[in-house]
Formats: sequence, structure tokens, C-alpha cells
Amino acid sequence: GENVEQHPSTLSVQEGDSAVIKCTYSDSASNYFPWYKQELGKRPQLIIDIRSNVGEKKDQRIAVTLNKTAKHFSLHITETQPEDSAVYFCAASQEGRRALTFGSGTRLQVQP
Amino acid sequence: EPEVTQTPSHQVTQMGQEVILRCVPISNHLYFYWYRQILGQKVEFLVSFYNNEISEKSEIFDDQFSVERPDGSNFTLKIRSTKLEDSAMYFCASGGLNYEQYFGPGTRLTVT
Repeated sequence: GENVEQHPSTLSVQEGDSAVIKCTYSDSASNYFPWYKQELGKRPQLIIDIRSNVGEKKDQRIAVTLNKTAKHFSLHITETQPEDSAVYFCAASQEGRRALTFGSGTRLQVQP
Repeated sequence: EPEVTQTPSHQVTQMGQEVILRCVPISNHLYFYWYRQILGQKVEFLVSFYNNEISEKSEIFDDQFSVERPDGSNFTLKIRSTKLEDSAMYFCASGGLNYEQYFGPGTRLTVT
């Protein structure tokens, strides 16, 4: 089955800096890659996703890039703000399936 | 904005007892999911449900687990005879015809 590795496990940046979180996946047939943000005690919130037919997607300060050849995808947050502090999870699903395989999460701390 | 809701937020039960976790998906969604997260571990897929039947399940979802959509709004996960290792946060999610999944706030299950 699919395996998703995520790093770093923790990331601390200064407010205004950029943050990058990377994930690799094992199954070349995976074709859907969402990112979730989870604040303490709250639900995982879908923040952006990408399908395998595109290489990059942007939504305001967040972007996701996908490299199908290398089987990795990354979350980029620019101009970070203290409210970006949370745990971020990447996930992948295989073609024809909807089950998500999650990474282990990255705790992002934005220092004011 | 509509959200997935789950009840209860915390359930404590004794080993061997049956528990039912309840979810109300977003009303126009067609796909329903259960995931779990054992403390300190990755979010794991359990089962997906579409058109009144299970569409995918993981190896975790054994005969002790069952799901049901008893009416037009609720989606339930039943664990027949709980074990200590069933202690986890259980998340319900729902989605439409695209691959997006929206998560509920979770039910923390503690088996003693």
C-alpha cells in the first residue's frame, strides 16, 4: 500500500519568513494530494490540494508543488503569521481510491 | 459554512463494551469516512461509505467494526467489543464527487 513520509517534524520560523514542508509518497499511482492544518483541539482543516495532472497550485499565501517523477510534494507558506502556527498534515490517495494515507505531521511555530 | 459534527466529544468505556460513535456529515455530501489517530501516531484510514455500502476498508476495520447510515443524516461507527488498543481519536469526514474530504472535530475514545 501507499506510504507517506513527512518532514520536518517540527519547524520554527520568524513571522514574515517562508515555511516549506515536504512529503514523499511511495505509490506512483497516487494522484490526489491534500494538505490539512490542525490547530490545537480543533478538526483537521483542508487548506489546499493538488491533483497529479498539475505541478503547482496557489491560494493566496499558500502553494503546493508536485513532482511526480520524484514522488514528492511540498507545502509553501509565505509571509508567515502567528496564526499559521499549527500541525500540518500531508496525505495522498491512490488512483481509483478515496482512502487517504497521511504523513506524520509537522508542527509549525511562527515566532512573532 | 456547513461542517461535519460528531458526538460525543469524549467517550470513556470499559474493555469489552460496545460503543457507537456518531457523525452528521455535510448534507449534500455523498461519501463518508472514518479515520482514527492513536495518540502520537499518524491519522489512519478505517472505512469509506458510498451509496449505502462500504466502498473501501483498511485492515484495521475488522469484524469488530461496523458502519451504518441509519437515516438520511447520521453516519455511525460501532465497535462491538472494545479493546485497550482502540483508544484513539476517531474522526468522521465527508466529501462530494470530487476527492475533497472535510473532517469533523473528532471523538476521543478512552477504553479502560
